[in-house]
Amino acid sequence: DGGITQSPKYLFRKEGQNVTLSCEQNLNHDAMYWYRQDPGQGLRLIYYSQIVNDFQKGDIAEGYSVSREKKESFPLTVTSAQKNPTAFYLCASSMGRRETQYFGPGTRLLVL
Amino acid sequence: AQSVSQHNHHVILSEAASLELGCNYSYGGTVNLFWYVQYPGQHLQLLLKYFSGDPLVKGIKGFEAEFIKSKFSFNLRKPSVQWSDTAEYFCAVYNLNFGNEKLTFGTGTRLTIIP
Repeated sequence: DGGITQSPKYLFRKEGQNVTLSCEQNLNHDAMYWYRQDPGQGLRLIYYSQIVNDFQKGDIAEGYSVSREKKESFPLTVTSAQKNPTAFYLCASSMGRRETQYFGPGTRLLVL
Repeated sequence: AQSVSQHNHHVILSEAASLELGCNYSYGGTVNLFWYVQYPGQHLQLLLKYFSGDPLVKGIKGFEAEFIKSKFSFNLRKPSVQWSDTAEYFCAVYNLNFGNEKLTFGTGTRLTIIP
């Protein structure tokens, strides 16, 4: 069953805590992306990676970090430096840049 | 900076009404264009896309969109909506000449269909 999985579905963060969101794909896609979705703001790009061991900042990278050690995996860490982390986080992948992006089910992050 | 405008923030229609959602982008050049849909509680999924060729593209569930280069527009249409079309719709644009490796999304249009 091919696709993109994200876990957990809901995540709670305490103040000062780093949390990591998981994203895995078995589509053999080279490129992977992280977006943040807030009501009325659409999707904003946090980070993207076109190949393993390489990634670039998107529009709102401050307070976030990523790694791309495997083609299938692109975890996102929301650090304590991100002052407004409450949002819906979407992971996506595509065969290459400019190609159609396919999305995972998302993780909703809430702050306690 | 690149921008994508979806001027209709919330559209309410009755079943069987015709639908047109606007999408305009701010720059010229060669573009790849997308419409995505997010049904309540479901993944964001591709509705249709335009890369090249016939500017009138057909997607899933009876949706279509027309690329008008001179107007920088890619409006989404459906002749007769159903209650199951209730969802949020996002237009997205990839500018192939901009040198910026990202897909730019509009802010979305929430569509509510009244039975």
